[in-house]
Amino acid sequence: SYELTQPPSVSVSPGQTARITCSGDALPKKYAYWYQQKSGQAPVLVIYEDSKRPSGIPERFSGSSSGTMATLTISGAQVEDEADYYCYSTDSSANGVFGGGTKLTVL
Amino acid sequence: QVHLVESGGGVVQPGGSLRVSCAASGFTFNSYGMHWVRQAPGKGLEWVAFIRYDGSYTCYADSVKGRFTISRDNSKNTLYLQMNSLRPEDTAVYYCAKDVVGLADTGGGVDYWGQGTLVTVSS
Repeated sequence: SYELTQPPSVSVSPGQTARITCSGDALPKKYAYWYQQKSGQAPVLVIYEDSKRPSGIPERFSGSSSGTMATLTISGAQVEDEADYYCYSTDSSANGVFGGGTKLTVL
Repeated sequence: QVHLVESGGGVVQPGGSLRVSCAASGFTFNSYGMHWVRQAPGKGLEWVAFIRYDGSYTCYADSVKGRFTISRDNSKNTLYLQMNSLRPEDTAVYYCAKDVVGLADTGGGVDYWGQGTLVTVSS
């Protein structure tokens, strides 16, 4: 079955740039989406269709995709950005797939 | 403002059945595909199922295929997930979520999520 691979954890100091990667064979043909989930809360969409930012999401969040890898970048990470981040895409049959999640620590 | 409210979770024995619902408001429900996504305690997100805006197409994760059925009632702005032959590994918070793109033939990403309903499968 199709898989999206993320690093389990990323750690940065406040104000630094955090990059979270997501690799998958279908990403050249399928959009990537990124979700932020804080403890005990429902996920929130932070990037859709590879690089678009929903209204209300801070400009420090950006996304890109090249080949089989999508990347979520948080420029000038803040303490409040500490959360689990999940990438999401679809396979050739249009079934949804989430990456395993990346725990972002900002300290 | 988009609002999704799940209900119907609870404790069920292995092999049992349960139906969870999701009441939608704040958008044109019959124009958007809908998804169910689940999260086992302490684990990551798992996509479960998708239904097209008009109910004419559905697809499922391999882990639930043949046991779960997604459906919708556009006259009631409500999404359903019928879960049969439940297993302990189905224990999770079940979220309903709205697809990003309107009138899409197949599922894409999701933009809005409910708060989830907990389903516990245990004897």
